[in-house]
Amino acid sequence: SQQGEEDPQALSIQEGENATMNCSYKTSINNLQWYRQNSGRGLVHLILIRSNEREKHSGRLRVTLDTSKKSSSLLITASRAADTASYFCATDAGAGGTSYGKLTFGQGTILTVHP
Amino acid sequence: DTGVSQNPRHKITKRGQNVTFRCDPISEHNRLYWYRQTLGQGPEFLTYFQNEAQLEKSRLLSDRFSAERPKGSFSTLEIQRTEQGDSAMYLCASSLLRTPAFFGQGTRLTVV
Repeated sequence: SQQGEEDPQALSIQEGENATMNCSYKTSINNLQWYRQNSGRGLVHLILIRSNEREKHSGRLRVTLDTSKKSSSLLITASRAADTASYFCATDAGAGGTSYGKLTFGQGTILTVHP
Repeated sequence: DTGVSQNPRHKITKRGQNVTFRCDPISEHNRLYWYRQTLGQGPEFLTYFQNEAQLEKSRLLSDRFSAERPKGSFSTLEIQRTEQGDSAMYLCASSLLRTPAFFGQGTRLTVV
């Protein structure tokens, strides 16, 4: 079953604009991860944020996590046409501080960046 | 290429036939996962191995599905008596303990 729900389901923006995608989940987690998927390169890991972290940056990516609201957001700044892809959040519910690696994915946000 | 390799990339089969997919993980990774993804949905967990031991199976994995990982290296996923509902992308991923998973490009199965 899908735990995460991404919002919006689809997002269309112009190159140079920022894109924000949100993810909500239902159970306690060890960490939350964001993946990108396009037809050319399959599923690619972008960033991991642990349950005791609130914000994380990687290049043009910024992820926030609010465990009290069971939600996360992914911000892509200064978007490029090459960012066009589906973006998925995935939760790892491994207990006791140990990541089990088994992921529960959301349904994804389809991002289209127009040149 | 040292990534996760899956073969074949595409498979078309008739309903009722058996199919087998292969996954070669990144060589030093001791964990290997299988997921299934249907159109418009995120991947759904099927099963995972740590070395050669199969540690967890999803309820999605009916009796017609079997996965193996002999000697803790490559893995195979077999579907017996395929049904049209089995049509999906089958994704394999591998990782070390407590590290993010790297995914292969998947095997797209079409059951006609």
